Amino acid sequence: EIVLTQFPATLSLSPGERATLSCRASQSISSYLAWYQQKPGQAPRLLIYEASNRATGIPARFSGSGSGTDFTLTISSLEPEDFAVYYCQQRSKWPWTFGQGTKVEIK
Amino acid sequence: VYLVESGGGLVKPGGSLRLSCAASGFTFSTYSMNWVRQAPGKGLEWVSSISSRSEYIYYIDSVRGRFTISRDDARHSLYLQMNSLRAGDTAVYYCATSGYSHGIADNWGQGIPVTVSS
Repeated sequence: EIVLTQFPATLSLSPGERATLSCRASQSISSYLAWYQQKPGQAPRLLIYEASNRATGIPARFSGSGSGTDFTLTISSLEPEDFAVYYCQQRSKWPWTFGQGTKVEIK
Repeated sequence: VYLVESGGGLVKPGGSLRLSCAASGFTFSTYSMNWVRQAPGKGLEWVSSISSRSEYIYYIDSVRGRFTISRDDARHSLYLQMNSLRAGDTAVYYCATSGYSHGIADNWGQGIPVTVSS
């Protein structure tokens, strides 16, 4: 099973600041990585797929990069609605697995 | 895209439940479909996936032999038959589409809670 490790576990930032979230895979997954956002009491929402492609309707302040084992989700300027938990997920090999999540909280 | 799960609830260990997901707003028969769960206060776990025309079906090891995923394209519905339920199966279960590609959950239902407890 491919293990995804996200860091940091918690990111404390203010609105307007830049957020950089990391995800590392236990083996190469090419670009088969997605990022999701989840707010309390809500279902996850797809943000990025294939490492760098924004999903439909996702604002341009969200961007993804990386390939192989190291990936990054960047939020260029945090809006109040961006404070949430973010998960990375790989689809390179079944079982498709998620990271443990990074919580972006208001500082 | 609209996904509505039903069939969850409280069940005793060893019991069974059948989850349903009613889909609308897209061409259901052409999409792979999925069940993803989230235990209370925990992260996400991709439980099962079924391709269009049911050509490919996947299960995680912990549910293989106990859970069965199926689809009815005529009814635009996805199902998860869960037997021999355990406390560790307690979670919110989400139905999700894979429109971009197999293994990408691009649209999600609101989730349905399943509690396994005596």
